Amino acid sequence: AQSVTQLGSHVSVSEGALVLLRCNYSSSVPPYLFWYVQYPNQGLQLLLKYTSAATLVKGINGFEAEFKKSETSFHLTKPSAHMSDAAEYFCAVRSEGNEKLTFGTGTRLTIIP
Amino acid sequence: ETGVTQSPTHLIKTRGQQVTLRCSSQSGHNTVSWYQQALGQGPQFIFQYYREEENGRGNFPPRFSGLQFPNYSSELNVNALELDDSALYLCASSNYRDTETQYFGPGTRLLVL
Repeated sequence: AQSVTQLGSHVSVSEGALVLLRCNYSSSVPPYLFWYVQYPNQGLQLLLKYTSAATLVKGINGFEAEFKKSETSFHLTKPSAHMSDAAEYFCAVRSEGNEKLTFGTGTRLTIIP
Repeated sequence: ETGVTQSPTHLIKTRGQQVTLRCSSQSGHNTVSWYQQALGQGPQFIFQYYREEENGRGNFPPRFSGLQFPNYSSELNVNALELDDSALYLCASSNYRDTETQYFGPGTRLLVL
């Protein structure tokens, strides 16, 4: 079985501050891990993915995430928040040989001017 | 290269009716997955189609059914609509060269009254 837990349904940070969105996964086999962003009334856009290559993954819009097997974590970070980063962020896991993505419940990121 | 497209964008139905949602996959993609995203939740996997065959199914009843066509476009059919079927329905496509990554369309928002 595979699952993800996103700690914090709402996160607020000031413009220019560090963004940290937490994701912990559970998977019986080595996982593929993803972060997606969803803007209001839109579909999901892929931010970045981990597929067992480098543990530090860089994505679009200045985001990055680090795969830590010992902590079963895949937290998303961005050094300096921008107003345009305000959105819903979803962490997802997929196991090799398993066709489905399993999503977390999402974290709504608010940027304070 | 065109992205994933879905139609219609919005739909209102009454309980007991049937609905068909459509998805055109991204150019070169032969796999389509459907997800249901209830308000305030993460997407839930409904099923996946690969080369016109169902290739995995989530925890959804048989009244949720699908088709994939030779051009890899897809339909999601829901019979005997219930109020709880109100959600955003997302289609995602992927290709054989990058099977772990799914690219999402903008979704169809269904309201069942």
